[in-house]
Amino acid sequence: DAKTTQPTSMDCAEGRAANLPCNHSTISGNEYVYWYRQIHSQGPQYIIHGLKNNETNEMASLIITEDRKSSTLILPHATLRDTAVYYCIVRVMYSGGGADGLTFGKGTHLIIQP
Amino acid sequence: KAGVTQTPRYLIKTRGQQVTLSCSPISGHRSVSWYQQTPGQGLQFLFEYFSETQRNKGNFPGRFSGRQFSNSRSEMNVSTLELGDSALYLCASSLTGRANYGYTFGSGTRLTVV
Repeated sequence: DAKTTQPTSMDCAEGRAANLPCNHSTISGNEYVYWYRQIHSQGPQYIIHGLKNNETNEMASLIITEDRKSSTLILPHATLRDTAVYYCIVRVMYSGGGADGLTFGKGTHLIIQP
Repeated sequence: KAGVTQTPRYLIKTRGQQVTLSCSPISGHRSVSWYQQTPGQGLQFLFEYFSETQRNKGNFPGRFSGRQFSNSRSEMNVSTLELGDSALYLCASSLTGRANYGYTFGSGTRLTVV
């Protein structure tokens, strides 16, 4: 799976949009971009994923650049409860069985300031 | 619907002992993966089970083992515990283990080895 680079930490004011960048310059054509977050003392939570088109769900939006070498997770109206470590993961979607598991990096510690 | 349930939540064991952790996946999910999280190494993939078969294994010693039952519930076992095995052990379930479905994580079992 391709390696990702994320900032170690970021701050964002409550109510503002939080934009979390992720660099994945070695991504392959069949690799998807996934975002998970982990709130303190809980298991990681799936947020969103995409291949090349921008995606939006009830939690967030995912913007992937045209060359797919980077992406941005957007939390449109951040709240204090969004304070967490956010992980950007790139991996293939296997057509057969055999899940290799998710490779988590260090992630970005997002702190929402009141 | 009920989420992923891990038991126990906390556990204290002595070096040299063995431990068994349990994970009940979301109803209908057939894939169960296990992860170890430590402050130094972060989240690391242990192994994944699907339909009672281990399909993939991370880079951990043979002291770490697991199994999955016909009802998809899974257990992991660590024998001859070492101090370095102190960690948060997380279980994740998914429909098939394929990356196109998000993984749902439990809250984990915090193991302390003394």
